[in-house]
Amino acid sequence: SQTIHQWPATLVQPVGSPLSLECTVEGTSNPNLYWYRQAAGRGLQLLFYSIGIDQISSEVPQNLSASRPQDRQFILSSKKLLLSDSGFYLCAWSVSLGEAGELFFGEGSRLTVL
Amino acid sequence: AQTVTQSQPEMSVQEAETVTLSCTYDTSESNYYLFWYKQPPSRQMILVIRQEAYKQQNATENRFSVNFQKAAKSFSLKISDSQLGDTAMYFCAFRHYGQNFVFGPGTRLSVLP
Repeated sequence: SQTIHQWPATLVQPVGSPLSLECTVEGTSNPNLYWYRQAAGRGLQLLFYSIGIDQISSEVPQNLSASRPQDRQFILSSKKLLLSDSGFYLCAWSVSLGEAGELFFGEGSRLTVL
Repeated sequence: AQTVTQSQPEMSVQEAETVTLSCTYDTSESNYYLFWYKQPPSRQMILVIRQEAYKQQNATENRFSVNFQKAAKSFSLKISDSQLGDTAMYFCAFRHYGQNFVFGPGTRLSVLP
């Protein structure tokens, strides 16, 4: 069966520090991978999605970047965090865009920037 | 562009009773999927139910069922025999073939003892 994991679960970082959130998927190949951000009590904002290695699309211009060094690994990064980067980050995967399967979410990473 | 609207930011229901969460969407496409996701206080998003637009029969998963009205572009979620564990944020989502998911803003449901 397929599983998705992301870490760390909780992160407290000072403004200006770097960020790295990692997500891995097991039990499937060539998944579509996504990073979402959720502000407190709000909906989901799509940040990045990837249909393959080194194929990443950015939905919102911001202080963040994403990389996909391996088929089932998706990394969210920042060189210098801003206060506005605080939030709950969710990694997710789905089958290819040619199909219409559901999204499967990781456990989430809560980032607090101080 | 497709949009998803959930007009009820917050709802509450007594334990064991039935509640219906509303969702409407806007699209010009004819083939798509609709989903309801649940996000409990533990924060992990969980799929509750999905509906293929080409199917006329409403999807059902145990106590959860949908009322899919394609012409009206409406996709409501009914929770029967509500339980305390149903307390969560519920998100309606839309996905057309070859495109990304579009989520609604969510409805916060509280099940009261």
